[in-house]
Amino acid sequence: AQSVTQLDSHVSVSEGTPVLLRCNYSSSYSPSLFWYVQHPNKGLQLLLKYTSAATLVKGINGFEAEFKKSETSFHLTKPSAHMSDAAEYFCVVSDLQTGANNLFFGTGTRLTVIP
Amino acid sequence: DAGVTQSPTHLIKTRGQHVTLRCSPISGHKSVSWYQQVLGQGPQFIFQYYEKEERGRGNFPDRFSARQFPNYSSELNVNALLLGDSALYLCASSPGIVEQYFGPGTRLTVT
Repeated sequence: AQSVTQLDSHVSVSEGTPVLLRCNYSSSYSPSLFWYVQHPNKGLQLLLKYTSAATLVKGINGFEAEFKKSETSFHLTKPSAHMSDAAEYFCVVSDLQTGANNLFFGTGTRLTVIP
Repeated sequence: DAGVTQSPTHLIKTRGQHVTLRCSPISGHKSVSWYQQVLGQGPQFIFQYYEKEERGRGNFPDRFSARQFPNYSSELNVNALLLGDSALYLCASSPGIVEQYFGPGTRLTVT
């Protein structure tokens, strides 16, 4: 079975400081992993994806994530936080076993950016 | 290009009623998926359709049903509404098997 665990429900950083949002996954297969962002009253936006190519994945808005199989982790990072980064972030694993693409979402991490 | 569109934006229903939510995928996308997001939680998978056939179903009761039309748009139907069905219902379309692009959602309130 596929699942993800987001280790922090809330992360608070100062503007201009690094961001680290932690995610561990569980998968019986080689997983596809994603990070999505959800701004208040808006839909989900895909930040980046890992699909068994390069382990360091670069996404939009300066975010990147590193797939570490030995640690079953897929942490999201950004060197310098902007006010506009304040949002809810979801780590997601894909289940392709059944021929469908079911996405399993973590419980989310709320990022607050302090001016 | 237009993204995924959903209608209506907001909806208020009474317990026991029926509701139909609609989704139009991004042009060229043949797959549509539905998710339920209860306040404070991550979205949960309900259905996926590809080329008008159901490809996957999440752990939801039979009160939930869906279909996909020849133009690849989709409807999600929920019968005998319960208070616990109050949520944001998200539709996502996909050009293939990996990436999914989400619409803004329909906020359903059941009173």
